[in-house]
Amino acid sequence: SQQGEEDPQALSIQEGENATMNCSYKTSINNLQWYRQNSGRGLVHLILIRSNEREKHSGRLRVTLDTSKKSSSLLITASRAADTASYFCATVFNSGNTPLVFGKGTRLSVIA
Amino acid sequence: DAGVIQSPRHEVTEMGQEVTLRCKPISGHDYLFWYRQTMMRGLELLIYFNNNVPIDDSGMPEDRFSAKMPNASFSTLKIQPSEPRDSAVYFCASSGTGSSNQPQHFGDGTRLSIL
Repeated sequence: SQQGEEDPQALSIQEGENATMNCSYKTSINNLQWYRQNSGRGLVHLILIRSNEREKHSGRLRVTLDTSKKSSSLLITASRAADTASYFCATVFNSGNTPLVFGKGTRLSVIA
Repeated sequence: DAGVIQSPRHEVTEMGQEVTLRCKPISGHDYLFWYRQTMMRGLELLIYFNNNVPIDDSGMPEDRFSAKMPNASFSTLKIQPSEPRDSAVYFCASSGTGSSNQPQHFGDGTRLSIL
């Protein structure tokens, strides 16, 4: 399968702690995107990182990309109960003009 | 700005009935995607359109599924006849110009239950 795979499948942390989720993929990519899905809602785009970038920040989010290891990580710092959601990585393969391929997600629970 | 709008939000119907799901993409977006989400299979791309033209329907599971986009502001996904294994959440998403790999904006989905 070409889809990215998130790890872990589920993560439970205390409010205030940092949460790290990982995504691995198998073929060369054009870009990689992270999305959040709250229960009963659609996915929301968080951040896009291109294959020539190594790190991006957006507020409390930090995304890294290691193309040599074909992996990415999403770090949420100082987590809040409102961060409880599923997080998905989505990859775009090297041809560029192809649609996103989503992984199965990491379910994050932040306990107040 | 209005986001992607899907209707209905919930649909419960009996096996064999026709089901029509509707989607209004964000104005100005020229890509539209239909997905199906289940616990077992995750999020699967069914079909996507560019400028109202179907580009790739290889994810459509069977001939019972069909999708149309008659204009830039409306798309439908139809299942006929429906079967219990079609029960899932169906999402529509749209993205802007340039290529199909831009960030996508999702609707809140239609939760479909086939009895």
